[in-house]
Amino acid sequence: DAKTTQPTSMDCAEGRAANLPCNHSTISGNEYVYWYRQIHSQGPQYIIHGLKNNETNEMASLIITEDRKSSTLILPHATLRDTAVYYCIVRLNNNDMRFGAGTRLTVKP
Amino acid sequence: NAGVMQNPRHLVRRRGQEARLRCSPMKGHSHVYWYRQLPEEGLKFMVYLQKENIIDESGMPKERFSAEFPKEGPSILRIQQVVRGDSAAYFCASSPGTGGNIQYFGAGTRLSVL
Repeated sequence: DAKTTQPTSMDCAEGRAANLPCNHSTISGNEYVYWYRQIHSQGPQYIIHGLKNNETNEMASLIITEDRKSSTLILPHATLRDTAVYYCIVRLNNNDMRFGAGTRLTVKP
Repeated sequence: NAGVMQNPRHLVRRRGQEARLRCSPMKGHSHVYWYRQLPEEGLKFMVYLQKENIIDESGMPKERFSAEFPKEGPSILRIQQVVRGDSAAYFCASSPGTGGNIQYFGAGTRLSVL
């Protein structure tokens, strides 16, 4: 599986958009980009995923570059409850997911 | 529709004892995955099971660890003769199938080995 690179930590002001980048320069054509988050010590929570096109759901938007070597997760209006570790995962159409260290997002009042 | 259920939430064992962790997948899901998370680290894949079959156990330690997903009942992750290094959070996820299906996680079992 391709590896991903994420910043270790980021801060965001409450109410502002949080933009979390992820590099996956060795991604292959059939690998999806998934985003999960883990709030405190809870189980990881699915956010969004995509292959080539940009995606949006009730939680976030996912912007994937045309060459697919990087992506950005956008939380449009961050709240204090969005403080969490965010994981970007590149995954084949198979079984396990390889979690890296993720980005620790802190939303500040 | 209940989510992935794991129990117990917390488990304390003394060195040398056995630990049994249970996972009931979401309704309609036939695929179960186990992950381990050491303190301050990301999740590490352990094993992937379908009903009555182990599909991928490439992340399982070679000794003392085993997993099953019987035809009836929850998936079980079993750790024999636990050591302090087994202390971690163990998460189970389920999905309806492969092919890019979303994995949904349970709240985890926190194992403490004294």
